[in-house]
Amino acid sequence: DADVTQTPRNRITKTGKRIMLECSQTKGHDRMYWYRQDPGLGLRLIYYSFDVKDINKGEISDGYSVSRQAQAKFSLSLESAIPNQTALYFCATSAGGSTGELFFGEGSRLTVL
Amino acid sequence: AQSVSQHNHHVILSEAASLELGCNYSYGGTVNLFWYVQYPGQHLQLLLKYFSGDPLVKGIKGFEAEFIKSKFSFNLRKPSVQWSDTAEYFCAVIPYGNNRLAFGKGNQVVVIP
Repeated sequence: DADVTQTPRNRITKTGKRIMLECSQTKGHDRMYWYRQDPGLGLRLIYYSFDVKDINKGEISDGYSVSRQAQAKFSLSLESAIPNQTALYFCATSAGGSTGELFFGEGSRLTVL
Repeated sequence: AQSVSQHNHHVILSEAASLELGCNYSYGGTVNLFWYVQYPGQHLQLLLKYFSGDPLVKGIKGFEAEFIKSKFSFNLRKPSVQWSDTAEYFCAVIPYGNNRLAFGKGNQVVVIP
C-alpha cells in the first residue's frame, strides 16, 4: 500500500462545482503539502501544514482552501471550480526538521469543464 | 525573488548517450538539494539528495549530481541513458532553516531506443 494516498485519482467536474481532494498518510509525518503541477510550470505550492493546528498559504492559494483533520489527513477544497484549475494535484509529506525531503502521493488529476 | 532554474525544458536523446541537466539556484546561504524524477503517469520519486559532505552525490539508476557551491549549481548526470530513463526531472532546493522546498520547472527527457 502507498504511504501517501490521494482520492480521487481522477475527477471531471463542471465550472462552479465544489470539489474536495483528500490525502492520507501512514508515514507518521507532521508536515503535509498540496502542490499543483502544470506542464512547463513545474510544481507550485498551494498550501502546507506543519501540524494539525498550523495552516499556511503557498504560492498560489487563491481559489483553494485546506483542512488538516488529523495528523494523517490533509484535504484540499476548490469552493467553486474554474477551468484554469484543471491540473494534476499532488499531496506530499515530510518529517519535521529542515532536511526538506518530500514523499509524494500518486496525484489527483482534476479536469474542470 | 529566490528561485530554482532548469534550462532546456525538452531534451531528446538516443540510448547510450550521456545526459546532463543543469540546475541553478539563487539562495545565498546553506541549502539542501534534491533531484526528483517523475516517470510517465507516476508520482515524483527521489532520485538523489545532497545535504553536506562529498559534493558528488550518487543516486539510483546510475544517476549522479555535483554540487558546485561557487556556481550555485547542482547538475544531474548519467553517462549512458536507457529508454526507461524517459521521464520528467525536477531540481528542488530548500535553504537551511527554511520551511519550503522550491522546485524548478522541470526537464522533460525523452530517450529514443
